Amino acid sequence: SSELTQDPAVSVALGQTVRITCQGDILRTYYATWYQQKPGQAPVLIFFGKNNRPSGIPDRFSGSSSGNTASLTITEAQAEDEADYYCNSRDRSPYHVVFGGGTKLTVL
Amino acid sequence: EVQLVESGGVVVQPGGSLRLSCAASGFTFDDYAMYWVRQRPGKGLEWVSLISWDAVDTYYGDSVRGRFTVSRDNAKNLLYLQMNSLGPDDTALYYCAKSYYSGSGSSSDFDFWGRGTLVTVAS
Repeated sequence: SSELTQDPAVSVALGQTVRITCQGDILRTYYATWYQQKPGQAPVLIFFGKNNRPSGIPDRFSGSSSGNTASLTITEAQAEDEADYYCNSRDRSPYHVVFGGGTKLTVL
Repeated sequence: EVQLVESGGVVVQPGGSLRLSCAASGFTFDDYAMYWVRQRPGKGLEWVSLISWDAVDTYYGDSVRGRFTVSRDNAKNLLYLQMNSLGPDDTALYYCAKSYYSGSGSSSDFDFWGRGTLVTVAS
């Protein structure tokens, strides 16, 4: 199966912009999907496809992709954005899914 | 309101079996593929299984293929995961999740998740 690589930890100052990345060859074929997970809670879908944000997700969350790298950008990060962020995508095997290892975001 | 409620997680001995359930409500269950995703303690998310809306097609991650079986009862809005030959590495919080898209087709977009049910494999 494919692999998706994320930085284990990233920090951002309150109100600043941060980019969380997800790398993998499979991203040359499929879009990444992004989830936010806060401690003790289930993951929440925050961005998917070329440019899709579920209702209720603030527009400070945006996604992009270039080559084998997908990025989740948080503009004007808030304290409540402190969480783990996971990417996933479809895998080469039909109907299979692969997750990245997750990035722990700290808002300073 | 979409709700997914997992149950069935317990402490089980190595080599044992367990069946997890996920009760779905608030959407037309038989329109959507459903997924199982697990999270080992302190670790990341791992895709476990997919079942198509009509239960015809099932798929599994490498670490569980041949030991786990996913099924669904569309009349009862229930999703299941039968887990056999359990080992310590199967200790995890097991989530069921709903596909964002209805119908057939592959997707990695899960728009609703349950709160999970904890499976602990230990002697």
